Amino acid sequence: GAGVSQSPSNKVTEKGKDVELRCDPISGHTALYWYRQSLGQGLEFLIYFQGNSAPDKSGLPSDRFSAERTGGSVSTLTIQRTQQEDSAVYLCASSFGQGLRDTIYFGEGSWLTVV
Amino acid sequence: AQKVTQAQTEISVVEKEDVTLDCVYETRDTTYYLFWYKQPPSGELVFLIRRNSFDEQNEISGRYSWNFQKSTSSFNFTITASQVVDSAVYFCALSEARWGGSEKLVFGKGMKLTVNP
Repeated sequence: GAGVSQSPSNKVTEKGKDVELRCDPISGHTALYWYRQSLGQGLEFLIYFQGNSAPDKSGLPSDRFSAERTGGSVSTLTIQRTQQEDSAVYLCASSFGQGLRDTIYFGEGSWLTVV
Repeated sequence: AQKVTQAQTEISVVEKEDVTLDCVYETRDTTYYLFWYKQPPSGELVFLIRRNSFDEQNEISGRYSWNFQKSTSSFNFTITASQVVDSAVYFCALSEARWGGSEKLVFGKGMKLTVNP
């Protein structure tokens, strides 16, 4: 596709369940980001992947959060034992090559509601 | 620590009015990037501009213009002759610009602009 694709677009889950959110970056983009957007906290950085380098995980809020990027393309963000405070929009973004030195393109997000 | 402040949370204007969105930032870095993003109701963040801290020239792109004032740590965004399609949430953001530095964007809280016909 032409843009960053995220799935599911909406997810409602019960507290304590695990969820997986998927991101397909723009073809050829080596940099991939996950951000979280919530009412109370605004937009927060979660994790950054660049090629085969070790990811920058400094924004992950707890060890319940993890992300991987297989084959340098698709990424999955996993939240284990979800809590109500995890309810937010999870945004994925990608850029070509130089991270923030190139234009970053965002997907439409995955809306997660934990009930 | 880096911080971005968008003091206005919500603005409502009538079509064709000019509107300025304020952004004030804090950073200890000597080189940094500043950004503006637009978030329409569909949810995706749309890139509008990136400004390197070394480049203080103001920029104009159609009805959009940006005023970067390093002396006041501000990067304000003006929409001239606003249109209904400009209705969105606008975010100002900041990042390091040194090679090997962090790649994360620090966002302001956003400002919701409503342009009424």
